[in-house]
Amino acid sequence: GDSVTQTEGQVTVSESKSLIINCTYSATSIGYPNLFWYVRYPGEGLQLLLKVITAGQKGSSRGFEATYNKEATSFHLQKASVQESDSAVYYCARDSNYQLIWGSGTKLIIKP
Amino acid sequence: GGIITQTPKFLIGQEGQKLTLKCQQNFNHDTMYWYRQDSGKGLRLIYYSITENDLQKGDLSEGYDASREKKSSFSLTVTSAQKNEMAVFLCASSIDKSGNTLYFGEGSRLIVV
Repeated sequence: GDSVTQTEGQVTVSESKSLIINCTYSATSIGYPNLFWYVRYPGEGLQLLLKVITAGQKGSSRGFEATYNKEATSFHLQKASVQESDSAVYYCARDSNYQLIWGSGTKLIIKP
Repeated sequence: GGIITQTPKFLIGQEGQKLTLKCQQNFNHDTMYWYRQDSGKGLRLIYYSITENDLQKGDLSEGYDASREKKSSFSLTVTSAQKNEMAVFLCASSIDKSGNTLYFGEGSRLIVV
């Protein structure tokens, strides 16, 4: 079936340094899925960070970017300069038959 | 804006007991979802509902019942709680079923003793 893979359970980055969180998705279904990044900040509910519904396009929000790469079936999340407030758990997801298929999440820890 | 409220935040029960989680949304959204999240894993869909009195099974529906008697509320019942299903249960809603943005509650943690 359809799947989403996040290989890193935890990533530690120094403040003001760049970040990349990896996400790859399966391409077993017909057509191209919609792709999402959700985030859970400490003490808050899961919320949408960004989404991209067209292959080849880039989505951005709060300084984060992700590009829909249909050749590599990837949707990596990047930020040029992280801040303490970015500490959170980030989830990649794709849609499939009216539901979302989720990655296992990547916890981002920011070092001062 | 709206809000999704899940109750209780912690649900403690004995093995074999029937336990119910409740979810309320004031977005006036059509579609509501129940997900289960085990530690260190992604969310898995238990049930969803595209309108009042509709129920659709997700991949993880066995051992659970759901009820959508009103548009604003969606409840989930664990029919016989087991220790290996201690997890966080997340309720969400969206405008419709077409994969639009999901809005989540803060979650309910199930503890089975």
